[in-house]
Amino acid sequence: KAGVTQTPRYLIKTRGQQVTLSCSPISGHRSVSWYQQTPGQGLQFLFEYFSETQRNKGNFPGRFSGRQFSNSRSEMNVSTLELGDSALYLCASSPQGSGELFFGEGSRLTVL
Amino acid sequence: QKEVEQNSGPLSVPEGAIASLNCTYSDRGSQSFFWYRQYSGKSPELIMFIYSNGDKEDGRFTAQLNKASQYVSLLIRDSQPSDSATYLCAVNPLGSQGNLIFGKGTKLSVKP
Repeated sequence: KAGVTQTPRYLIKTRGQQVTLSCSPISGHRSVSWYQQTPGQGLQFLFEYFSETQRNKGNFPGRFSGRQFSNSRSEMNVSTLELGDSALYLCASSPQGSGELFFGEGSRLTVL
Repeated sequence: QKEVEQNSGPLSVPEGAIASLNCTYSDRGSQSFFWYRQYSGKSPELIMFIYSNGDKEDGRFTAQLNKASQYVSLLIRDSQPSDSATYLCAVNPLGSQGNLIFGKGTKLSVKP
């Protein structure tokens, strides 16, 4: 069974730009959640989608948004990038949205 | 503010010893508890979860939960150099599906 796939793996943007990250969950998993990982703050929850509905949202500004498609694939978008948005963005899927998460390899974003 | 606290380490143990990793959480209503392992440069992977007070054993790993004390621990018996990684404690707050609060992790080093 294929794992969680995230694209792109690495990207460099400049302040003010926007970025879209993509995540394909494990086949059959209906829940997709996104986390931001930084050395200082660790893993922080961004949002979780289940069957195309956002069920939970973390404490991030509105510049961070996401969506889920009918095939469970998910995207997250960050607009008006700031230097502090530089981080590893991890997508995780689970069958029903429990805490048993399967993480992708992440998308490493660098904002210059 | 719901929090999960871990000693950042590094925790250094000799090969073959027992490694003991500890975690406390602030939300008394939390229902489920997870331990993830993250190797350097890799994404987190689930190694244990526990929902009820007491001990849960899986091979060399034992998770312990004490809800009254809001305390979770992970014991690794017969530690191996391959166990060297950062161990992340995560808690699923009450009523919050698909949303985990992670501690910042304890770095474990197993010396041959």
